[in-house]
Amino acid sequence: AQSVTQPDIHITVSEGASLELRCNYSYGATPYLFWYVQSPGQGLQLLLKYFSGDTLVQGIKGFEAEFKRSQSSFNLRKPSVHWSDAAEYFCAVGPNLALKLSFGAGTTVTVRA
Amino acid sequence: DADVTQTPRNRITKTGKRIMLECSQTKGHDRMYWYRQDPGLGLRLIYYSFDVKDINKGEISDGYSVSRQAQAKFSLSLESAIPNQTALYFCATALGAGVTNEQFFGPGTRLTVL
Repeated sequence: AQSVTQPDIHITVSEGASLELRCNYSYGATPYLFWYVQSPGQGLQLLLKYFSGDTLVQGIKGFEAEFKRSQSSFNLRKPSVHWSDAAEYFCAVGPNLALKLSFGAGTTVTVRA
Repeated sequence: DADVTQTPRNRITKTGKRIMLECSQTKGHDRMYWYRQDPGLGLRLIYYSFDVKDINKGEISDGYSVSRQAQAKFSLSLESAIPNQTALYFCATALGAGVTNEQFFGPGTRLTVL
């Protein structure tokens, strides 16, 4: 069975500071991993995805994530946070994007001025 | 992204009522999905459809039914709504089975069952 754990329910960060969101997964085979962002009142938007190859993947809006197989982790990072990054972030795992995904519970990011 | 639309956006109803949530897409995608989102639980898959003649249950299909009226339309029904079906419901679409094909999400429908 596949599952995702996001240990941090809520993170507050100052504008301009760095951000790291944790994601741990459980999956029996080679995982396909994703990060989605949900802005208030909006649907989910894909930030980035990992299938294979380079374990450091770049996404939209200046985000990146690193796949670490030994730690079963896929943490999301951004060097300098903007106020518009305040949102809820979801990590997901699945065989591929068009099949069933398992989502984590989400991490809410608050950005303070 | 207006390519995936959901109606209504908000709905308040009473226990026992039949409710239909509708999803339409103009992306030409063959695959469509219904999820519900609850605080602290993330998104959970209710039903998914790979084409008009293919409907599959997700992890939490009890109490729900779906209809794929056309490639572009996928409706979710609650035959007899109950309060624990109060949630935010998302429709999503995807193209084919390619590993690089992402799911695109609609804006969501907030359903409250009193």
